[in-house]
Amino acid sequence: AQTVTQSQPEMSVQEAETVTLSCTYDTSESDYYLFWYKQPPSRQMILVIRQEAYKQQNATENRFSVNFQKAAKSFSLKISDSQLGDAAMYFCAYTYSTEGGSEKLVFGKGMKLTVNP
Amino acid sequence: DVKVTQSSRYLVKRTGEKVFLECVQDMDHENMFWYRQDPGLGLRLIYFSYDVKMKEKGDIPEGYSVSREKKERFSLILESASTNQTSMYLCASSFQGALPNYGYTFGSGTRLTVV
Repeated sequence: AQTVTQSQPEMSVQEAETVTLSCTYDTSESDYYLFWYKQPPSRQMILVIRQEAYKQQNATENRFSVNFQKAAKSFSLKISDSQLGDAAMYFCAYTYSTEGGSEKLVFGKGMKLTVNP
Repeated sequence: DVKVTQSSRYLVKRTGEKVFLECVQDMDHENMFWYRQDPGLGLRLIYFSYDVKMKEKGDIPEGYSVSREKKERFSLILESASTNQTSMYLCASSFQGALPNYGYTFGSGTRLTVV
């Protein structure tokens, strides 16, 4: 079964500091994509960053970066210089292809990040 | 600006009612999805569709059905609403087989309360 695990349901960070959100996943496939989504109180799911499994280089988007460890099936998100607007639910997700050839996205249970001023 | 639009942000229905949740996307995406989001459970896939009139069950299809008569519209139907279907419902869409994979585009969600 394809599963994504976010072991920490909640975290908090001081404004301007760095925080790391953990995620592990289970798959037998060699080629896949991993994502971090952010869901602020507005409820809109926003793509934060994505990583192709075949790329060894870790993805980076401004203050957001990932630590992708393929052998360990680990995909953590680092937020640098945390801002109040980073407060949200964060979901780790993995996409795989079904037998019918369509793609499905599997989500972790999410983690609530609080940013303290 | 590309969009996935869910027709209702909040909805209150009575037990036993037939409920329709509508989702429309303007990106010409082949794939469309309905998720249910509950605290502590994350997002769980109810149904998805990879083409007009095509549908596949997700992980929790019981009590739900879907309709996709046009490419841009994907409807979730609760045949007889029950209180355990009170939840946040999220619609999403994506390109079929697009490389590189940019994930899904989501709507803003419909918070359904069944009383």
